[in-house]
Amino acid sequence: AQSVTQPDIHITVSEGASLELRCNYSYGATPYLFWYVQSPGQGLQLLLKYFSGDTLVQGIKGFEAEFKRSQSSFNLRKPSVHWSDAAEYFCAVGAYGGANNLFFGTGTRLTVIP
Amino acid sequence: NAGVTQTPKFRILKIGQSMTLQCAQDMNHNYMYWYRQDPGMGLKLIYYSVGAGITDKGEVPNGYNVSRSTTEDFPLRLELAAPSQTSVYFCASRTPTGQLTDTQYFGPGTRLTVL
Repeated sequence: AQSVTQPDIHITVSEGASLELRCNYSYGATPYLFWYVQSPGQGLQLLLKYFSGDTLVQGIKGFEAEFKRSQSSFNLRKPSVHWSDAAEYFCAVGAYGGANNLFFGTGTRLTVIP
Repeated sequence: NAGVTQTPKFRILKIGQSMTLQCAQDMNHNYMYWYRQDPGMGLKLIYYSVGAGITDKGEVPNGYNVSRSTTEDFPLRLELAAPSQTSVYFCASRTPTGQLTDTQYFGPGTRLTVL
């Protein structure tokens, strides 16, 4: 069965510091992987997605993620965090089936301190 | 182009009451979804629809019903509200192909409290 694990519930970084959010997945076939961001009181916005090709994918807002099949990971990175990046981040895996829907991790809350 | 819209934004219900959460999209998407997000948890799929007149259950359908009479609208009905249904509800839609590589677009959510 498909599942997504985000081991860090809450991360605090200083503005301007680098960021890495961890995501591990379990899926029998080639995974389709997504990172979404949820700002307070808002819906989810897609940051980036991976389904084939180059294992380093670029997204919006300066984010990137690297797919590592050997580690079943899809970690999100940003070289320099801005205060506006404070939000909840969700990793998700797409699963084939009737719904072709997404299975989400539990999320990582990012706090940015000045 | 408003994307995915949801109403209401907030609602408090008493146990046993019923209500309908509204969801609409103006992107001509065939696939639509209802998720719930409990505190400290990821989103879980309640129901989904692959087109007008076609709906099916997701992971956590108990206590809910849906209908899809048009491409644009996908309301979620709660009958006999229970405290366990306190959650944030998100509606989403997907580009017409319905493929996993498509992007799901999410509405802003409805925060529901059942007391």
